[in-house]
Amino acid sequence: DAGITQSPRHKVTETGTPVTLRCHQTENHRYMYWYRQDPGHGLRLIHYSYGVKDTDKGEVSDGYSVSRSKTEDFLLTLESATSSQTSVYFCAITSDSLGNSPLHFGNGTRLTVT
Amino acid sequence: QQQVKQSPQSLIVQKGGISIINCAYENTAFDYFPWYQQFPGKGPALLIAIRPDVSEKKEGRFTISFNKSAKQFSLHIMDSQPGDSATYFCAASTWEGSYKLIFGSGTRLLVRP
Repeated sequence: DAGITQSPRHKVTETGTPVTLRCHQTENHRYMYWYRQDPGHGLRLIHYSYGVKDTDKGEVSDGYSVSRSKTEDFLLTLESATSSQTSVYFCAITSDSLGNSPLHFGNGTRLTVT
Repeated sequence: QQQVKQSPQSLIVQKGGISIINCAYENTAFDYFPWYQQFPGKGPALLIAIRPDVSEKKEGRFTISFNKSAKQFSLHIMDSQPGDSATYFCAASTWEGSYKLIFGSGTRLLVRP
């Protein structure tokens, strides 16, 4: 495994509550990503980071924010969870350009919003 | 807007057969095309990847065929085994200020004994 820990692994929350998912890496990799996985949609990029305090939006960023105050931690926050955000969330990391270094994924966080 | 289209959605193959999964892309700036394999309860893991300057890449029983003019690429699994049963994702990336990997919708492969 590439030294990626996602927490929590499972979470059930109610609509309207804030939720923070954590991704912790021990590889000192520069790039970190948050994806969500839904049936029929594959993996869709939410936000990514290319360095400490450097983040940008992906294709499905609405309703999500991120923060990266340290190289090893990348947090994903749902400010006010909705049922449409029920999904499996994956964190991924890479050290270099994607052609030179593969994307390594964590084992995911299953989030259910009731 | 789906930049990488993958088919079929699901596939059932007998042990020893050939599994074929296809992907098509739109963005001609894509310059890296990996395939990822995912088992239940796990994150995806890189299986094999290709760049557009070659038409084929083979690693063991897994082969990527790439057709730049048609903007299509495919994964072939020869002598498919029950242990190959998993979900497979094609993907594509390019530099747009940073590297982002865009995934297809996935193919669930079942290899029957």
